[in-house]
Amino acid sequence: RKEVEQDPGPFNVPEGATVAFNCTYSNSASQSFFWYRQDCRKEPKLLMSVYSSGNEDGRFTAQLNRASQYISLLIRDSKLSDSATYLCVVNQAGTALIFGKGTTLSVSS
Amino acid sequence: SQTIHQWPATLVQPVGSPLSLECTVEGTSNPNLYWYRQAAGRGLQLLFYSVGIGQISSEVPQNLSASRPQDRQFILSSKKLLLSDSGFYLCAGKGPMNTEAFFGQGTRLTVV
Repeated sequence: RKEVEQDPGPFNVPEGATVAFNCTYSNSASQSFFWYRQDCRKEPKLLMSVYSSGNEDGRFTAQLNRASQYISLLIRDSKLSDSATYLCVVNQAGTALIFGKGTTLSVSS
Repeated sequence: SQTIHQWPATLVQPVGSPLSLECTVEGTSNPNLYWYRQAAGRGLQLLFYSVGIGQISSEVPQNLSASRPQDRQFILSSKKLLLSDSGFYLCAGKGPMNTEAFFGQGTRLTVV
């Protein structure tokens, strides 16, 4: 069983659409959770941390469900510039950072 | 601010040649450091991580090795490269007071 799993997509949506990504993790002892964004041929950059109570940053909302061991990212009012690969990241026991394989989003006009 | 310097940005090496990739960290002390590899169109695979000088954990058995001779220096090495070693290598760090990681700009390695 893979440690962090994501639907690879691609998700092809028009501008203004709302899109949601899910991610599941297998290690119940995981402590911290993040969403990163990676543009083609670039390094990943932190999009947002994911807190148990859920958190929002502008058009982006992240949620964590520890009981079901999944994390979600909701993007509202999609922009062309949102096109990228979104990586789910789990921090296990404060040391290893495990990445999902990423979900590709393509926003078109 | 925390920064990772990673070099070189691109590298073309023949099969069987040695490899040494280095990254250094600024802006934090005693970071956790990580080496990842991303093959074309694939996800990030954790290769090694280190919680301190001389402490290396290997996640995937392979012909690569890592060393941490100084607190802010992390080196990825190979004695003999294989074609399958081609990929995008990323060094990442996480400060002791932070939960999220920051990345270097990566090294794109092509083994020919």
